[in-house]
Amino acid sequence: EIVLTQSPATLSVSPGERVTLSCRASQSVGSNLAWYQQIPGQAPRLLIHGASTRATGIPARFSGSGSGTDFTLTISSLQSEDFAVYFCQQYNNWYTFGQGTKLEIK
Amino acid sequence: QLQLQESGPGLVKPSETLSLTCTVSNDSISSDDYYWAWVRQPPGKGLEWIGSIFYRGNIYYNPSLKSRVTLSVDTSKNQFSMKLKSLTAPDTAVYYCARLGTLGRNWFDPWGQGTLVTVSS
Repeated sequence: EIVLTQSPATLSVSPGERVTLSCRASQSVGSNLAWYQQIPGQAPRLLIHGASTRATGIPARFSGSGSGTDFTLTISSLQSEDFAVYFCQQYNNWYTFGQGTKLEIK
Repeated sequence: QLQLQESGPGLVKPSETLSLTCTVSNDSISSDDYYWAWVRQPPGKGLEWIGSIFYRGNIYYNPSLKSRVTLSVDTSKNQFSMKLKSLTAPDTAVYYCARLGTLGRNWFDPWGQGTLVTVSS
């Protein structure tokens, strides 16, 4: 099973800041990585697939990068609605998810 | 716009079997481009893929749950279902259904709103 490790677990940030979230895979997943946003009490929402392709309707402030084992999700300027939990998911070998990074307001 | 809605009991006793159904609206479940999947999330924890089914009946299970889970699809009702047997407290979770792409597009999108299932006597 491919294990995805996300860091940090929690990040305290202020609106308007730029943030970078990390996802590291226990073995190479190529570019077969997606990112999701989950607002408390809601279902996950797809943000990024193919490591760097924004899903339909996702604002340009969200960007993804990386390949192999190291990936990042960057939010260029945090908006109030972006405070949520972010998960990565690999689909190179079945499907596993990271444990999530929670963005909280500083 | 495609919508998915889970239905099933909110409380199940230990050792019993959980049955959940996902109803797909505004699109056909009989698509060659998508699987239909179940994912669960224990309270305060991460996400776990349970299994996926194709409308023609091809089924794939998470090896960690394979011995206890059964997926099925009913194309006439545009629904797919899961059964999880021999429940224990760690099976308490929000259960989501989701659409899963095929052919290298294996991300989950969209998701149902989720249904909380509590395993307790």
